[in-house]
Amino acid sequence: GAGVSQSPSNKVTEKGKDVELRCDPISGHTALYWYRQSLGQGLEFLIYFQGNSAPDKSGLPSDRFSAERTGGSVSTLTIQRTQQEDSAVYLCASSRDYGTDSYEQYFGPGTRLTVT
Amino acid sequence: GQSLEQPSEVTAVEGAIVQINCTYQTSGFYGLSWYQQHDGGAPTFLSYNALDGLEETGRFSSFLSRSDSYGYLLLQELQMKDSASYFCAVSPPQRALTFGSGTRLQVQP
Repeated sequence: GAGVSQSPSNKVTEKGKDVELRCDPISGHTALYWYRQSLGQGLEFLIYFQGNSAPDKSGLPSDRFSAERTGGSVSTLTIQRTQQEDSAVYLCASSRDYGTDSYEQYFGPGTRLTVT
Repeated sequence: GQSLEQPSEVTAVEGAIVQINCTYQTSGFYGLSWYQQHDGGAPTFLSYNALDGLEETGRFSSFLSRSDSYGYLLLQELQMKDSASYFCAVSPPQRALTFGSGTRLQVQP
């Protein structure tokens, strides 16, 4: 079946502009996660959605970052007034459930964001 | 909060065995996961330990000691394609995974 897809694969934007990153999770997966990975670094948790529950936004680095998930499926991560330190690969993942099953996450190919 | 420590780099030769260690500190704990990530690629799930002991999946095995807050990933019969970054991650209750900073494995011929 289809895996997690993300778009765009690459995004170059000027400092101060807003960007939207999209994630299509695996069908039927109720949990969706956003991570950020800087070059040569680990994965930094940003936000997760589980079904109809309120999202866990505890990893968002500033109020310039927001995300929504429509209809329990597609998610959009928005970064407002982008800064150069926002440059990274943004990875989306989904899993069957949150809790004991969340250890096996399926990742998308990521969006490489470059802020000039 | 959660924190994990793993070596930044490991080098080994084809056919050898390599062990990548991970120590963690977390408040609440379900289990320890391992992910592989090739350069430019997405992380892919390798293994998960919820209980103490060794889990074997082909050439890869993973070990967990909850009392020592320690685990490792064991890769046997190394192949060139195993050159990648390996991340351990903890599953705290009701929170997303927390990943370590990754271990870059270089397999040499």
